[in-house]
Amino acid sequence: QKEVEQNSGPLSVPEGAIASLNCTYSDRVSQSFFWYRQYSGKSPELIMSIYSNGDKEDGRFTAQLNKASQYVSLLIRDSQPSDSATYLCAVNPDDMRFGAGTRLTVKP
Amino acid sequence: DGGITQSPKYLFRKEGQNVTLSCEQNLNHDAMYWYRQDPGQGLRLIYYSQIVNDFQKGDIAEGYSVSREKKESFPLTVTSAQKNPTAFYLCASSTLAANGPQHFGDGTRLSIL
Repeated sequence: QKEVEQNSGPLSVPEGAIASLNCTYSDRVSQSFFWYRQYSGKSPELIMSIYSNGDKEDGRFTAQLNKASQYVSLLIRDSQPSDSATYLCAVNPDDMRFGAGTRLTVKP
Repeated sequence: DGGITQSPKYLFRKEGQNVTLSCEQNLNHDAMYWYRQDPGQGLRLIYYSQIVNDFQKGDIAEGYSVSREKKESFPLTVTSAQKNPTAFYLCASSTLAANGPQHFGDGTRLSIL
């Protein structure tokens, strides 16, 4: 079983819609959770960190964490074509583990 | 500006050759990491270091070597023993604070000639 799994995608949404990206993890002692955005040919860029159950909002981005279900998600509201990228989920029990990523395309 | 600098951006390796990828950070981070990313795949940890003159193997260390002589620098050597080196190599750093995020350099793309 993979340690960090993301919905495989690719995910395509129209401009202005909500994009929902999901991630599950296997290590129950995980304490910190991150979402990175990676444009094609570029390095990952940290966009959200979340450490406790519930929602955390930053602009158009909302991260949601449910430790009991071992589930973390990222919602992107009012999606823009510039949001088109691969989104990596990362989980840190004691060392960082990355999911394979979900490719998002926002169509104008 | 504080950040992580990787060089070169593109690198070509000949058969039987060792090549070294540079990673320098001025964020005063204690921990540094090397990852490999293959097309359409996630990040795989090669080596990491939490203190000068000490480093640990990650999941795919075979065919690679590192050194950490200075806090700011963590070069990666891809040796001739690594038979499939073509990939995107990413260097990252973080504080040692529990559960902190990692920050990445711009990466080096390595190809075989």
